[in-house]
Amino acid sequence: QKEVEQDPGPLSVPEGAIVSLNCTYSNSAFQYFMWYRQYSRKGPELLMYTYSSGNKEDGRFTAQVDKSSKYISLFIRDSQPSDSATYLCAMRKVGNTPLVFGKGTRLSVIA
Amino acid sequence: EAEVAQSPRYKITEKSQAVAFWCDPISGHATLYWYRQILGQGPELLVQFQDESVVDDSQLPKDRFSAERLKGVDSTLKIQPAELGDSAMYLCASSPTGNTEAFFGQGTRLTVV
Repeated sequence: QKEVEQDPGPLSVPEGAIVSLNCTYSNSAFQYFMWYRQYSRKGPELLMYTYSSGNKEDGRFTAQVDKSSKYISLFIRDSQPSDSATYLCAMRKVGNTPLVFGKGTRLSVIA
Repeated sequence: EAEVAQSPRYKITEKSQAVAFWCDPISGHATLYWYRQILGQGPELLVQFQDESVVDDSQLPKDRFSAERLKGVDSTLKIQPAELGDSAMYLCASSPTGNTEAFFGQGTRLTVV
């Protein structure tokens, strides 16, 4: 079993829909949680960064962390065709440790 | 806006040949990572540097891969000899310290033929 699990999709939604993307993890030592967006043939772009549990909102994006359930989510409101990309969750432990990624979820927003 | 620079963007090489990738992190970022991303998968760590020192290279295939970060600034990742299974996107990332978010470059897409 991998440390970070993410449903690869693909996920297809109509424009304007609310999108929910999720990851689960097994290692309770993870404390920092990130979501990246990756367009085809490009490098990952950081969307959200949270520490420990709770919610964080930035424009149309909301990140949630539930450490008790080892579950993190990214919500996208009013989804746009430009949101079509692969979304990667990533997390790390305290200290100088590397990011551990999920497989990514491929999202298509249909106009 | 500061960015992580990588070159080349694309590389095609024949198996058994040597290939090298270069990365220039965001200025002032002490931590530098090399990740490999196979199509349809998430990035997986190859090596992590703190300044010029290797912090983690446990997943680096050391029989054919090498990485260095002389002077603790830019970095080079080398593969010799390249194998067909090395075809992937090679991503460089940097962060100010080990406890903050990481920023990625555009990657080098390697195809081994």
